[in-house]
Amino acid sequence: ETGVTQTPRHLVMGMTNKKSLKCEQHLGHNAMYWYKQSAKKPLELMFVYNFKEQTENNSVPSRFSPECPNSSHLFLHLHTLQPEDSALYLCASSQETGVIRRGYEQYFGPGTRLTVT
Amino acid sequence: AQKVTQAQTEISVVEKEDVTLDCVYETRDTTYYLFWYKQPPSGELVFLIRRNSFDEQNEISGRYSWNFQKSTSSFNFTITASQVVDSAVYFCALSGPHVGTSYGKLTFGQGTILTVHP
Repeated sequence: ETGVTQTPRHLVMGMTNKKSLKCEQHLGHNAMYWYKQSAKKPLELMFVYNFKEQTENNSVPSRFSPECPNSSHLFLHLHTLQPEDSALYLCASSQETGVIRRGYEQYFGPGTRLTVT
Repeated sequence: AQKVTQAQTEISVVEKEDVTLDCVYETRDTTYYLFWYKQPPSGELVFLIRRNSFDEQNEISGRYSWNFQKSTSSFNFTITASQVVDSAVYFCALSGPHVGTSYGKLTFGQGTILTVHP
């Protein structure tokens, strides 16, 4: 596997279900991100992890729960979602070193297309 | 606050035409980074270029070229001799100096849908 992989690619779940999205990066990066892409809206940053530590939670509802067990893996646990949460969820990673970040580009996975019924 | 505006929602061209995608940004940071990404129908965002605010040199990569104008806060993207495979959504993005809480925050534009007809 190369780059950033995401599973599953498609997910349909009911509002009472619990599911998890998985992301894995094979680039040796130390920062990982979750984004949400809804129709007719800009990409929205949800969470940022740097060296497994969460450094950003962009006012995301608690029904989305991220987990980063190591620098290569990132999960997004979902429970009691709403239909408006249907979207493409994208994972990304980047290499950041030192205290002052260098603005390195983020590499994205193919996304998980989530439909909440 | 940072903002990225891609005023062109959709562009349609015929193969071999040149096309320019506009990007205008707003930021109070003196150091910042600009990016272009391509999102084909498969959904994955593909990184195309990163430009640092202190480097105003324009760049050319094959049929792609980028024009960074700090004076007008613009970072436009031109595809020369477009091809059907260029059809995708193109996003311009901006990030700050990545210090402290601004770490990792990419602000995206709305995207421009480019359709290249044979």
